Amino acid sequence: GAVVSQHPSRVICKSGTSVKIECRSLDFQATTMFWYRQFPKQSLMLMATSNEGSKATYEQGVEKDKFLINHASLTLSTLTVTSAHPEDSSFYICSARAPSSYNSPLHFGNGTRLTVT
Amino acid sequence: QKEVEQNSGPLSVPEGAIASLNCTYSDRGSQSFFWYRQYSGKSPELIMFIYSNGDKEDGRFTAQLNKASQYVSLLIRDSQPSDSATYLCAGHNQGAQKLVFGQGTRLTINP
Repeated sequence: GAVVSQHPSRVICKSGTSVKIECRSLDFQATTMFWYRQFPKQSLMLMATSNEGSKATYEQGVEKDKFLINHASLTLSTLTVTSAHPEDSSFYICSARAPSSYNSPLHFGNGTRLTVT
Repeated sequence: QKEVEQNSGPLSVPEGAIASLNCTYSDRGSQSFFWYRQYSGKSPELIMFIYSNGDKEDGRFTAQLNKASQYVSLLIRDSQPSDSATYLCAGHNQGAQKLVFGQGTRLTINP
């Protein structure tokens, strides 16, 4: 089955620093990956759609200059949280759809728990 | 109105009983629907997906879709304590790449 790997699983950083999260599709090529954020006891919130070889599409209210997305290859997308602040502490999850059809389900990485101190 | 709505719960069901989780959606263009299970602190895992009206069964799980009523449900038979989790319903529109998630229903199976 489709496997999505995300790294790191947990990161603690100081306020003002930047953090990079990697998302890899291990056994399929993903032209599109999705980045979600989840605060405690809340549902998944789509942040942006990452498109291989082109600019990411950000959801309303998500600052593209703060959450930098790079999708340089068909198997890797990265999310960089720049100048992180405590309010950015959250569970970040990437996902990808195996390209068999547009109806294919999303497969999620294991998530990255970010804590900004 | 949210595009995909679920009762946030919590829903408590005794062990061995049937758990019924419900979801409604507002976009009539949505064509495929997915149920994910999420344990606390973990990422969602796919349980089932359904595209056609009617029922789809997989082991203890049955997904039901009624496009006329814009209603999706998930039934869990012979509920086990390990089924205790948050269940997320998601819809997908053919014209859009993204899935739209409901807020999730927290299910607790009581031994």
